[in-house]
Amino acid sequence: AQSVTQPDIHITVSEGASLELRCNYSYGATPYLFWYVQSPGQGLQLLLKYFSGDTLVQGIKGFEAEFKRSQSSFNLRKPSVHWSDAAEYFCAGVTGGGNKLTFGTGTQLKVEL
Amino acid sequence: EAQVTQNPRYLITVTGKKLTVTCSQNMNHEYMSWYRQDPGLGLRQIYYSMNVEVTDKGDVPEGYKVSRKEKRNFPLILESPSPNQTSLYFCASSLSVTGVAGELFFGEGSRLTVL
Repeated sequence: AQSVTQPDIHITVSEGASLELRCNYSYGATPYLFWYVQSPGQGLQLLLKYFSGDTLVQGIKGFEAEFKRSQSSFNLRKPSVHWSDAAEYFCAGVTGGGNKLTFGTGTQLKVEL
Repeated sequence: EAQVTQNPRYLITVTGKKLTVTCSQNMNHEYMSWYRQDPGLGLRQIYYSMNVEVTDKGDVPEGYKVSRKEKRNFPLILESPSPNQTSLYFCASSLSVTGVAGELFFGEGSRLTVL
């Protein structure tokens, strides 16, 4: 079955430290991949997306993600985390021509001051 | 302002009492979708619509109905709610679910409690 997996349910980092959130995908063909962020009490907001081409994509709020076909991964990174980055992060994927965007189960990020 | 609007934002109801959660978008999007969010399960798609009068089941459609009579509206109907439908519901819309336009815009969510 087509899916995305986020292995980490919770992650805690100190403010100013680097961040990497993991996402693995399982699709027959190269999927379109997305990272969304959900702040408390809010809907989801798109951080970045990958369709093709350059495997390192830049997003909003200083986030980036790297598509690695050999590892079936699309990990989200940020060099220096701010307290306001505390939120839940969702990886999502869909195949080209597909109609269903499938979400991972989310990673809750806590930032320690 | 471009937005997806859901109502009600909060609702407590009782088993078996029909309810409708409305969703409206002002971006002329063709694609609309309903998700439910439950702890540890992430977002699961209930129904989606590719355009007016075109709807299809997502991963967890049981107990729900939808309609798409107008492009901007995509209501979610619970004909006979049960406690296992207690959840946080999100409506989302997009120009297209794939391709360059494949960004979903989400409403703020509707928290439903069924007693």
